[in-house]
Amino acid sequence: DTAVSQTPKYLVTQMGNDKSIKCEQNLGHDTMYWYKQDSKKFLKIMFSYNNKELIINETVPNRFSPKSPDKAHLNLHINSLELGDSAVYFCASSTLHRDRGYTFGSGTRLTVV
Amino acid sequence: GESVGLHLPTLSVQEGDNSIINCAYSNSASDYFIWYKQESGKGPQFIIDIRSNMDKRQGQRVTVLLNKTVKHLSLQIAATQPGDSAVYFCAEWRTGFQKLVFGTGTRLLVSP
Repeated sequence: DTAVSQTPKYLVTQMGNDKSIKCEQNLGHDTMYWYKQDSKKFLKIMFSYNNKELIINETVPNRFSPKSPDKAHLNLHINSLELGDSAVYFCASSTLHRDRGYTFGSGTRLTVV
Repeated sequence: GESVGLHLPTLSVQEGDNSIINCAYSNSASDYFIWYKQESGKGPQFIIDIRSNMDKRQGQRVTVLLNKTVKHLSLQIAATQPGDSAVYFCAEWRTGFQKLVFGTGTRLLVSP
């Protein structure tokens, strides 16, 4: 009965590879997000989708491409991985009126070597 | 860049003490604020929220105070317990930008 689930939890890969992180929510929320948390714990929004439509696209390299097949899923594909992409990536979801803020997944720790 | 709050500081307290975690925000147009708790290896979890038409809100053992004049938020935790040890973030909702912006967090360490 996990609310927001991400897979995988850990991802170790070499520079230059392409990888995907998947996210699913069963809360019935209509908006989903990707956040990046760096080594200093700073959380920065990357993307948000509302009902499968891209709402926010921060200044993220175009190697990062989100995909929302339906409003319960938001995946993140990363091409040509770089060392600086190493971070923890969090998926989150919220209602349209964002009452009580966002519900976060448990994160995917990406390590690029 | 966008930021709310200060560099990640650490607050060390003894079990049973009251803890106060502070946060400064930058956008006077923000109308909704949330405190999150992040335990090691987990995602941020909602603790308490407050809207800009309020200056205080109480939950179970937690109180949030909002001072819009100086753009300051605080989270007070009563009778702090070891299980309260975590990183705490304030976040502000920026209506014009439709996104939640997080502060840099405060690490709370509670000693038994």
